[in-house]
Amino acid sequence: EIVLTQSPGTLSLSPGERATLSCRASQSVSGNYLAWYQQKPGQAPRLLIYGISSRATGIPDRFSGSGSGTDFTLTISRLEPEDFAVYYCQQYDSTLWTFGQGTKVEIK
Amino acid sequence: QLVESGGGLVQPGGSLRLSCAASGFTFSTYSMSWVRQAPGKGLEWVSYISTSSSPIYYADSVKGRFTISRDNAKNSLYLQMHSLGAEDTAVYYCARGYLENTFDMWGQGTMVTVSS
Repeated sequence: EIVLTQSPGTLSLSPGERATLSCRASQSVSGNYLAWYQQKPGQAPRLLIYGISSRATGIPDRFSGSGSGTDFTLTISRLEPEDFAVYYCQQYDSTLWTFGQGTKVEIK
Repeated sequence: QLVESGGGLVQPGGSLRLSCAASGFTFSTYSMSWVRQAPGKGLEWVSYISTSSSPIYYADSVKGRFTISRDNAKNSLYLQMHSLGAEDTAVYYCARGYLENTFDMWGQGTMVTVSS
């Protein structure tokens, strides 16, 4: 089973700043099966990025994904007030889906 | 949209059946999964079912205790849960399968609490 480790656990930033979130896999992620989700309190997760770098429908272009192998990054170029939330990475491998433990982006 | 139901309080060792009603899209053409989230914790994938109900996959933590199924004629997804323990306490989401094995549509979740 591939384990995803996200860092940092919490990111304290101000609106307008750039956010860089990391997701590291315990072994190489197969194909392009790496995604990112955003979750706000009391809400279901929302798909942001699939296939490492493709934005889901309706996702603003300030969100971007990159990486390969075992190291992946979600970048939010300029934080908007609505971007403060918890972010999860997710991978698929051999009939198993796993999520990272999450990174909380909070207002500084 | 996806709307889950069937959650509630159940005693340890008990059973519960969750349902997920789909609308607004052609349910039969999408794979579906259940994903859960324990209180204050992260997301855990639970089970997957393909469009035709085969193949089906389970997380090791629920294998042998949970059964996923679907009724394409009723646009519904189900999760039958047996031998429930405190570790199964969570919000259970149904989620629609999307490109690159992701989930692009989620329900609002239904809470399952296992406690005596």
